[in-house]
Amino acid sequence: ETGVTQSPTHLIKTRGQQVTLRCSSQSGHNTVSWYQQALGQGPQFIFQYYREEENGRGNFPPRFSGLQFPNYSSELNVNALELDDSALYLCASSLARRNTEAFFGQGTRLTVV
Amino acid sequence: EDQVTQSPEALRLQEGESSSLNCSYTVSGLRGLFWYRQDPGKGPEFLFTLYSAGEEKEKERLKATLTKKESFLHITAPKPEDSATYLCAVQGGTGGFKTIFGAGTRLFVKA
Repeated sequence: ETGVTQSPTHLIKTRGQQVTLRCSSQSGHNTVSWYQQALGQGPQFIFQYYREEENGRGNFPPRFSGLQFPNYSSELNVNALELDDSALYLCASSLARRNTEAFFGQGTRLTVV
Repeated sequence: EDQVTQSPEALRLQEGESSSLNCSYTVSGLRGLFWYRQDPGKGPEFLFTLYSAGEEKEKERLKATLTKKESFLHITAPKPEDSATYLCAVQGGTGGFKTIFGAGTRLFVKA
């Protein structure tokens, strides 16, 4: 086990709704990255937070937003859900922005119907 | 455009049959290249980080190498428990600390 926990593990939402996913990073890690992984594909980088600031962003629309808290836990918020948002959402924590050794959680499986 | 391509998409080996997985990348200003293992329904598990051409790292039956254009993950005498998807990722380029993953190689090792 990596010490990175994500909640919930599974979620079903209706198109147009909003969702919040949560990630508790490994103790001592100040950097959290979020990824979207479609079935059979590699993870796609959404964004990274370092010491509560967004530190890099992938090609995702603004309806994907995030937060990092003083204890370095993090949230991913997705507004106006679309069917294509159905995927496994992964959170990874690391000691530094360079992701020298990133530890992933088990992911949240989001299904949009 | 920053890009990572992994080959083959799938690889079937007999137990003990050594082979290599390839990861080709295009990125300016490489900060690091990473290898992960992912089992079905789980998050990726960190294996290696490589920073510069010529660097090599080993862990049990796995050895990762890096050149300026590609990385190889060599698997020596694999066992059925090595069956998984192996993911390659790079960090660098114009995206700051963006990490780009390849689609992965699905490895099946038969006893």
